Amino acid sequence: DTGVSQNPRHKITKRGQNVTFRCDPISEHNRLYWYRQTLGQGPEFLTYFQNEAQLEKSRLLSDRFSAERPKGSFSTLEIQRTEQGDSAMYLCASSLAGVARTPFGPGTRLTVT
Amino acid sequence: GENVEQHPSTLSVQEGDSAVIKCTYSDSASNYFPWYKQELGKGPQLIIDIRSNVGEKKDQRIAVTLNKTAKHFSLHITETQPEDSAVYFCAASIGGAQKLVFGQGTRLTINP
Repeated sequence: DTGVSQNPRHKITKRGQNVTFRCDPISEHNRLYWYRQTLGQGPEFLTYFQNEAQLEKSRLLSDRFSAERPKGSFSTLEIQRTEQGDSAMYLCASSLAGVARTPFGPGTRLTVT
Repeated sequence: GENVEQHPSTLSVQEGDSAVIKCTYSDSASNYFPWYKQELGKGPQLIIDIRSNVGEKKDQRIAVTLNKTAKHFSLHITETQPEDSAVYFCAASIGGAQKLVFGQGTRLTINP
């Protein structure tokens, strides 16, 4: 069990640029979640997949955000036309449906200048 | 929707003393309550969890208690050590999606 991994760990981008993050879940986990964490706050749910199907999206996920999990394994989160308010830690987690325990990855720290 | 309140926001204790962090949740249908420890620059690490059909769970120096009637749960750390210093988050999970709603976090500092 290698745990949930995320890449890159840090990303600095200029306002208006597009960025893409990758998450590799624990191999046998069929659920994958994205959360966002701003400084001094707890993580907030963005979206989740069961296998390749995106089953729920938070209101926090504006039209500039898109997530995919094309083969039911790794997932990508893309942010288009980044804004300074997008600066945050983007966390990925995974689980097995019916098993509540949800380990998190190390996160991708996004800074928009 | 579900709301989780956590307090205190900061807690400072002497090494060797106990620390208690408390959370309340709003949705009585919540059925799973994990606690995460987060160190600077890292992702949250699951340290202990409890299901709604259990009142208490212990793992070495860490214990969690759940009061379903009052809708609150607590983390207890005994014999605290400097490496326990971190930010701790409680969370509640509801329903089939198993998505987590987090508290605001408690910054725990262990003074040597």
